[in-house]
Amino acid sequence: QQQVKQSPQSLIVQKGGISIINCAYENTAFDYFPWYQQFPGKGPALLIAIRPDVSEKKEGRFTISFNKSAKQFSLHIMDSQPGDSATYFCAASMGNYGQNFVFGPGTRLSVLP
Amino acid sequence: NAGVMQNPRHLVRRRGQEARLRCSPMKGHSHVYWYRQLPEEGLKFMVYLQKENIIDESGMPKERFSAEFPKEGPSILRIQQVVRGDSAAYFCASSPRLAGGAYEQYFGPGTRLTVT
Repeated sequence: QQQVKQSPQSLIVQKGGISIINCAYENTAFDYFPWYQQFPGKGPALLIAIRPDVSEKKEGRFTISFNKSAKQFSLHIMDSQPGDSATYFCAASMGNYGQNFVFGPGTRLSVLP
Repeated sequence: NAGVMQNPRHLVRRRGQEARLRCSPMKGHSHVYWYRQLPEEGLKFMVYLQKENIIDESGMPKERFSAEFPKEGPSILRIQQVVRGDSAAYFCASSPRLAGGAYEQYFGPGTRLTVT
């Protein structure tokens, strides 16, 4: 199965709150899991990524949690800010370098001031 | 260091015309990917190219679509005889050649194609 599922479809969070977006996959051959942030009219920008040999990766306010046995991974945005309002995509890739990404359908995040 | 460049940013074509989308990868990157994004949807892989080679075109429609990445110049995604269903944002991404894998992909700003 090449599909990557993502939830929720949309998310509203108060400023300072924690935003949590979840993704799930079926193909155990996937071995690279990036998150992308996309603002309207712009291209996706790489936010943070993880390999399955670690369970968590943190970069600033952004943390990826990875559960290999459940085939799930999630993005946590701590202290969410209005400037974080964007669409977030999880993705998965497999095999040797050069493989294409399979993207989730996206989560539209709105952070209220 | 300039990022991935795409042009034009916006392209309007009438049904039956041809659309040519160009992508210049980041300096030092030798892998190019094209993705299509329909409104309110995620990105769908179309084709993966290296210089003068199509590596994987499993996401390309069988007809009217073609892609190339010549030895010199940008990568081109070509859509012949466009139809309204081709209206979408087309994104190019590039990736470096790294020992052990070239996982990171960096996206351009996209070309928004509108077919009237």
